[in-house]
Amino acid sequence: GQSLEQPSEVTAVEGAIVQINCTYQTSGFYGLSWYQQHDGGAPTFLSYNALDGLEETGRFSSFLSRSDSYGYLLLQELQMKDSASYFCAVRDQTGRRALTFGSGTRLQVQP
Amino acid sequence: DGGITQSPKYLFRKEGQNVTLSCEQNLNHDAMYWYRQDPGQGLRLIYYSQIVNDFQKGDIAEGYSVSREKKESFPLTVTSAQKNPTAFYLCASSATDTEAFFGQGTRLTVV
Repeated sequence: GQSLEQPSEVTAVEGAIVQINCTYQTSGFYGLSWYQQHDGGAPTFLSYNALDGLEETGRFSSFLSRSDSYGYLLLQELQMKDSASYFCAVRDQTGRRALTFGSGTRLQVQP
Repeated sequence: DGGITQSPKYLFRKEGQNVTLSCEQNLNHDAMYWYRQDPGQGLRLIYYSQIVNDFQKGDIAEGYSVSREKKESFPLTVTSAQKNPTAFYLCASSATDTEAFFGQGTRLTVV
């Protein structure tokens, strides 16, 4: 089966940089995605990495190392509105086209 | 506006009742998914469908049923066989394997 591990909680101050790590175990890996979810809301897509390296989208960047089965989400210039839960997700094994999610990292941004 | 609509937002179920959660999308996506989220947890896959009139079980399908008679609609029925149905239910759709779009969720409570 698939499993993903990420820290349960991270705290940082406004304006700082924070990194949220994700390690995964899966067969037939196709890519690593990141989603943001505010309390009571819907998850929203942030980024996707299929190949090794860094993908940058504004203040958010995502990194993947396929050889290490590891990725991270980097949030820069933190704002209060970034306080949310962040989930990594992988495409399931061959033949099962659905995302498997990690348990999520709750980010608290303090003033 | 294109998107995914889930209804109702809140739903209360008595013991032994079946209830149906609605999910409609106008994004013209082939794939649709149902996830369950418990407090402080990640998303767990209940059922998914890649095409009309076809669907597959996810990791926690017991006590749930779905249908996919139209491309736009993917209703989820929570049956009386589901012993612990209180949770936040999220419907999603996608056109690719990299990005899923989520509805605003239905919060189901057993009373």
